[in-house]
Amino acid sequence: QSVLTQPPSVSAAPGQTVTISCSGSSSNIGNNYVSWYQQLPGTAPKLLIYDDNKRPSGIPDRFSGSKSVTSATLGITGLQTGDEADYYCGTWDGSLSAGVFGGGTKLTVL
Amino acid sequence: QVHLVESGGGVVQPGRSLSLSCAGSGFTFSNYAMHWVRQAPGKGLEWMAVLSYDGSKTYYADSVKGRFSISRDISKNTLFLQMNSLRDEDTAMYYCARGIAYTVRGLDYWGQGTLVTVSS
Repeated sequence: QSVLTQPPSVSAAPGQTVTISCSGSSSNIGNNYVSWYQQLPGTAPKLLIYDDNKRPSGIPDRFSGSKSVTSATLGITGLQTGDEADYYCGTWDGSLSAGVFGGGTKLTVL
Repeated sequence: QVHLVESGGGVVQPGRSLSLSCAGSGFTFSNYAMHWVRQAPGKGLEWMAVLSYDGSKTYYADSVKGRFSISRDISKNTLFLQMNSLRDEDTAMYYCARGIAYTVRGLDYWGQGTLVTVSS
C-alpha cells in the first residue's frame, strides 16, 4: 500500500484533457514539493513536473501540475497516443524521513 | 549532457550481498543529491535511498534500512548502493537518479536501470 494514493487507471480520447490525482497527508504533500514522472513501457521514468508545478526544459506546456493542501494533480491537455504511459507522483515524507511515490496511474488514450 | 549508467546487477542468492554502481557524467556530482529508486517486475516505483549533495545526509526506506548503504566516490563521479542480506522481495530494476534536492522535489535525470534478481 503506497503512502500516496493515485487512481490505478484513467482513459480519454485523443485531443481530450485528463487529470490524475495524488492524495497524501500533511506529513508528505502538505509540507513538501510534489513531482510527477512519466514512464513509457520498457523505459526509465522521466521527470514531467517538479516543485509542484514547474516544467523542466523540453516538457511541453500540455503537462501541468497543481497542489491543494494534501493533494496534487497532474493535468494533460491535447492527449496524444504517445502519452500512453504510467504516471507517478512523488514527494518527501517528513514523518518517515524518506521519499515516497504513488502507486502509479496507467493512462490509456482510446 | 547529463548521463547516468548503472551496473552491477545480476542473479544473487537470498542472504548474499551485491554492490551496484552508477556512473555519472556531464555534471558535477558534488552539486547534486543522488537517489536510488527500484521497481519490482510489473509494479510501481519504490524510493530506496538518497545521499545529499554534500554527502552529509543519507536516508533510507524502511524496507532496506540497516541492509542497504548508499555512498559515492566524487573523484570518479560514481554512486554506489551496497545491498546486504538480500531477500526475494529485493528483486527489481534499480535506477539511480539525480535529485534537485535530497527530498523528492524532482529527480531530473535517470539511468537506464540495472536488474537485480534474488533467487536460490
